[in-house]
Amino acid sequence: SQQGEEDPQALSIQEGENATMNCSYKTSINNLQWYRQNSGRGLVHLILIRSNEREKHSGRLRVTLDTSKKSSSLLITASRAADTASYFCATDEGSNYQLIWGAGTKLIIKP
Amino acid sequence: DVKVTQSSRYLVKRTGEKVFLECVQDMDHENMFWYRQDPGLGLRLIYFSYDVKMKEKGDIPEGYSVSREKKERFSLILESASTNQTSMYLCASSLMQVQETQYFGPGTRLLVL
Repeated sequence: SQQGEEDPQALSIQEGENATMNCSYKTSINNLQWYRQNSGRGLVHLILIRSNEREKHSGRLRVTLDTSKKSSSLLITASRAADTASYFCATDEGSNYQLIWGAGTKLIIKP
Repeated sequence: DVKVTQSSRYLVKRTGEKVFLECVQDMDHENMFWYRQDPGLGLRLIYFSYDVKMKEKGDIPEGYSVSREKKERFSLILESASTNQTSMYLCASSLMQVQETQYFGPGTRLLVL
């Protein structure tokens, strides 16, 4: 079942600007993951953040997790054209055998 | 790097045909998954396997079956393809825990006419 929700559904920004997208979930989690999907391709794992972590960095990516608000955000700094993709969050909420995926945020970086 | 390969990038089949989608991973991962992805619906789990010859139904198993005879290979079978099975099919694998990082193949875009 799909329970994660990304916000916004679509985002268009100028190259060089920062992009922020959000993910909300409904119950408790052990971890939350972010993935990127370039057009028509498979997904690529970006970051996994555990429920006892508040912030995690990887290069130009910063992920925060607020378990009290049941939400996470993905920040991409100094965006590039190559960041154009769909971004998905996935959690383990409510299940012990599968990830629960959101519908994704489509990010377009304009040159 | 983990590599997950899928047998075809694009497939066109006719209604009623039996369709085989193959997935191979090269990192000795325990778990393998088949998803379908449709616009606006995100990823939906069809089946997953946590060991050779072991399988579990996901959210949408109807019309599909799977086979895992070897650890590195996980096949998805559409017994009698229908137009509503036109979709992008994604295979993934994970090392130990089902809900840890998953590694995806490039996807197979299937069109059923």
